[in-house]
Amino acid sequence: DAGVIQSPRHEVTEMGQEVTLRCKPISGHNSLFWYRQTMMRGLELLIYFNNNVPIDDSGMPEDRFSAKMPNASFSTLKIQPSEPRDSAVYFCASSYSNNEQFFGPGTRLTVL
Amino acid sequence: AQKITQTQPGMFVQEKEAVTLDCTYDTSDPSYGLFWYKQPSSGEMIFLIYQGSYDQQNATEGRYSLNFQKARKSANLVISASQLGDSAMYFCAMREGSGGSNYKLTFGKGTLLTMNP
Repeated sequence: DAGVIQSPRHEVTEMGQEVTLRCKPISGHNSLFWYRQTMMRGLELLIYFNNNVPIDDSGMPEDRFSAKMPNASFSTLKIQPSEPRDSAVYFCASSYSNNEQFFGPGTRLTVL
Repeated sequence: AQKITQTQPGMFVQEKEAVTLDCTYDTSDPSYGLFWYKQPSSGEMIFLIYQGSYDQQNATEGRYSLNFQKARKSANLVISASQLGDSAMYFCAMREGSGGSNYKLTFGKGTLLTMNP
């Protein structure tokens, strides 16, 4: 079975550019999570969806960040404009209800 | 106050020994879940084991077991017969509440386990 799929795996961009990260959750899972991992702050939850509806976006750093889940099999996390401090590994995870979350391989974002 | 505390930033362990990774948690919710994840150097996050607050027995999954001491609010991960491939960062995480639509996980800062051959 395919796990959580994320694209791209690596992204290098310049400050001020728009960045879009993509995620395909495991089929049948109804919850989707976006995390950011940095050395300084560890693993932080940015936002999560349940049945395609955003439930908690309190972790989204600022208005430059936005996330959508137009259907059960696709989600995006957009940063516009990007800044060097956004450099991190961004993980998408999915779960069925409140069971364990399965993580994608992550997107390593570098903003120059 | 931190919700999840992992007091061991790093550990060096001899192969084949048993390993205990510490995790303490803080919650006033009577219903919660505790999770352990492994992150090897390749970067992926791998789910290892889960313990519910109402579970009567400690969770076990192969070589992994969770030493759940509710009164002490501790959920230590025990790895038996450790292997070189166990070298990784290990994260403890908690979900508060019985579900509904609250599925947030709060993660600790992790423990870096390094196996010595």
